Amino acid sequence: DTGVSQNPRHKITKRGQNVTFRCDPISEHNRLYWYRQTLGQGPEFLTYFQNEAQLEKSRLLSDRFSAERPKGSFSTLEIQRTEQGDSAMYLCASSRDRGPEQYFGPGTRLTVT
Amino acid sequence: AQSVAQPEDQVNVAEGNPLTVKCTYSVSGNPYLFWYVQYPNRGLQFLLKYITGDNLVKGSYGFEAEFNKSQTSFHLKKPSALVSDSALYFCAVRDMVGSNSGYALNFGKGTSLLVTP
Repeated sequence: DTGVSQNPRHKITKRGQNVTFRCDPISEHNRLYWYRQTLGQGPEFLTYFQNEAQLEKSRLLSDRFSAERPKGSFSTLEIQRTEQGDSAMYLCASSRDRGPEQYFGPGTRLTVT
Repeated sequence: AQSVAQPEDQVNVAEGNPLTVKCTYSVSGNPYLFWYVQYPNRGLQFLLKYITGDNLVKGSYGFEAEFNKSQTSFHLKKPSALVSDSALYFCAVRDMVGSNSGYALNFGKGTSLLVTP
């Protein structure tokens, strides 16, 4: 069990640029989640995949955000036309079908200047 | 709607003393409850969960939590605190009945635990 990995760990970008983050879940986990965490807050749910199907999207996920999970393995989260308000830690988590607990990666810290 | 409240922004305790970090929850059905710990610039680490059964749940690093249905609480406890326990602690809830929108965890704002030598 190698854990959830995320790349890059840090990303600094200028407002208006596009960014893409990658998450590699624990290998036998079918479920994958993206969360966003801002300073002083707990993580907030963005979206959820069961295998390759994106089953739920939060209202936080504006149309500038898109997530994919091709072949039900790794996932990518893309933010187009970044805004300063997008600055946050983006966390990925995965879980088994039968286990409710989610295991989190180290996160990608995005800074939009 | 599901939610959790962590009423304390910070808890201070001396090393060797017992610690309690409070959490109350609101959920329409039966809850799944979780505690996670976050160290600086790190992701969240799973500590323990309550699904059903014994109200006292034991987890990693000597932590335990007590589920109290009548008070809708799930407080995190440890009999003897260590300086290395200093971190940010998050309580989370999920409705037991999963659905397409039911698998996401709802987190509290977190409680910063400071254990002093």
